[in-house]
Amino acid sequence: AQKVTQAQTEISVVEKEDVTLDCVYETRDTTYYLFWYKQPPSGELVFLIRRNSFDEQNEISGRYSWNFQKSTSSFNFTITASQVVDSAVYFCALSEGENYGQNFVFGPGTRLSVLP
Amino acid sequence: DAGVTQSPTHLIKTRGQQVTLRCSPKSGHDTVSWYQQALGQGPQFIFQYYEEEERQRGNFPDRFSGHQFPNYSSELNVNALLLGDSALYLCASSLMLDGAEAFFGQGTRLTVV
Repeated sequence: AQKVTQAQTEISVVEKEDVTLDCVYETRDTTYYLFWYKQPPSGELVFLIRRNSFDEQNEISGRYSWNFQKSTSSFNFTITASQVVDSAVYFCALSEGENYGQNFVFGPGTRLSVLP
Repeated sequence: DAGVTQSPTHLIKTRGQQVTLRCSPKSGHDTVSWYQQALGQGPQFIFQYYEEEERQRGNFPDRFSGHQFPNYSSELNVNALLLGDSALYLCASSLMLDGAEAFFGQGTRLTVV
């Protein structure tokens, strides 16, 4: 069975602090994709990153970075020097089986509040 | 280039009624998926349409049905509405390719009273 856990329900930080959002997943497949999406108050889910199960390289994109570790089934997301505009709900998602990336299992989300 | 558009934005229905939600995919996309997001929870997969057929389905009752048209747009129909159907309904479009990212619309907020 596939499952995504985001243990942190809500996080509050002060602007310019670094913050890490945790994601732990469960899957029986050896081939799968992991995603992070951001959901601002407008409701639209905004794609942040995709990582396939064969690529454990960490990635940095501006203030965002991701740490993928298959050994611990974790795909954590770090925002460096957080800004008020980063305030949103962040979802980790898993896609496995055929048509990867089409059918997501989402975690419950982590609500991030960045205070000025 | 328009992204994924959904209509209506908000909707209020009475228990027992039927509702139809609409989605136009991002230009060039051929696959549409629907998700239900209850308040404070992550989205849950309802079903996916490709080539006008339902290709995958999540754990939702038959009251939830859909359709995809030749222009790739899609409808989600829910019959015999229950109070528990109140949620944000999100449409996602993508290409039928491994690892293709999905683009989401802003959703339709359905309230059942």
